Amino acid sequence: AQSVAQPEDQVNVAEGNPLTVKCTYSVSGNPYLFWYVQYPNRGLQFLLKYITGDNLVKGSYGFEAEFNKSQTSFHLKKPSALVSDSALYFCAVRPRNSGNTPLVFGKGTRLSVIA
Amino acid sequence: GAVVSQHPSWVICKSGTSVKIECRSLDFQATTMFWYRQFPKQSLMLMATSNEGSKATYEQGVEKDKFLINHASLTLSTLTVTSAHPEDSSFYICSASLAGDYNEQFFGPGTRLTVL
Repeated sequence: AQSVAQPEDQVNVAEGNPLTVKCTYSVSGNPYLFWYVQYPNRGLQFLLKYITGDNLVKGSYGFEAEFNKSQTSFHLKKPSALVSDSALYFCAVRPRNSGNTPLVFGKGTRLSVIA
Repeated sequence: GAVVSQHPSWVICKSGTSVKIECRSLDFQATTMFWYRQFPKQSLMLMATSNEGSKATYEQGVEKDKFLINHASLTLSTLTVTSAHPEDSSFYICSASLAGDYNEQFFGPGTRLTVL
């Protein structure tokens, strides 16, 4: 069965420091991987995705994520956190050749950036 | 990116009434849409997959007679919560994606339902 693990419920970072939000997955083959952000009382906004090629993917708002096949991880990173980055972050996965099936989401990690 | 809208953004209703939530893909055609439910401080729970012109596929544990889904066109799917009760109060989010398993899902802004 497919699954996504976000081991941290909460991540606290000081403004200006680098941030990492962790994600590991359990899917056969090389899946497509996604990161989303959700602000309070809003839907999810797409940040970035890994399809193929370069393991380091750059996305919106200065975020990037690194695909690590051997560790089955896709951690979200940002070199310098902003207070406005405080939100709920979701990692998601979809197996290749699965058609238009729904993404499988992790439980989410709440990021708090402290001024 | 593609835009998905939802209406209404919030609704308050009395117990026993029905509420319809609309989900529209504004600048693309979506043969498939997804409906999620989110409880406070929790992840998304997939309720059903809505396919244009056919019956929705419901996830285990979701009552199809209570949560009616209609996907009448390539740009509109509706979720009707029938005979709503306070335990149906939640944040409902719809999503759609372009064809192709490598494409991301685009999410609507969500609908906050409160049943009194």
